[in-house]
Amino acid sequence: SQQGEEDPQALSIQEGENATMNCSYKTSINNLQWYRQNSGRGLVHLILIRSNEREKHSGRLRVTLDTSKKSSSLLITASRAADTASYFCATDPNTGNQFYFGTGTSLTVIP
Amino acid sequence: DAGITQSPRYKITETGRQVTLMCHQTWSHSYMFWYRQDLGHGLRLIYYSAAADITDKGEVPDGYVVSRSKTENFPLTLESATRSQTSVYFCASGAAGGNTIYFGEGSWLTVV
Repeated sequence: SQQGEEDPQALSIQEGENATMNCSYKTSINNLQWYRQNSGRGLVHLILIRSNEREKHSGRLRVTLDTSKKSSSLLITASRAADTASYFCATDPNTGNQFYFGTGTSLTVIP
Repeated sequence: DAGITQSPRYKITETGRQVTLMCHQTWSHSYMFWYRQDLGHGLRLIYYSAAADITDKGEVPDGYVVSRSKTENFPLTLESATRSQTSVYFCASGAAGGNTIYFGEGSWLTVV
């Protein structure tokens, strides 16, 4: 399988705290993306980091990428109840334009 | 702005029946994808298509058939449904050379 794996599988935090989730993958990649899925809905793109980048920010999101370890992390700062969702990483192997998703981290933010 | 739509959203079918899940996108994206989502497995790629009349297998293609006669449509057919194909199916599309794919709202399929 080319899937990545997110860690932890589930995370529960208080509103205002930071949430960190990790993704490990198996093959070399062109880029890595993070998606969010609200319960019962489709996935929504959050942020993309290219293989030659090490860190990227978007609002309260911070993504890092370590290609030598084949891993990435997503940090959500100052979490809100509305951040409650599942978060998935997706990799685009060097063969291109095939997107493989991890198993997801379920985040619960308690008001 | 319809974007990408899937139909039916919910379907119950019997083992052995043929089922087709429809996917339609209005962006003229070159790439389209079908994923299934199951607890413990995340999303797994079933088939993808780079353009009309070009399709290729993903991670879990067995038991599924796809076609793409028009850029905007990418139907997924289960030729003889099995209980193991009970799942949520997501269609997605993306531009050639693009880095983001856009998902439909999913089709919940139950095979009894």
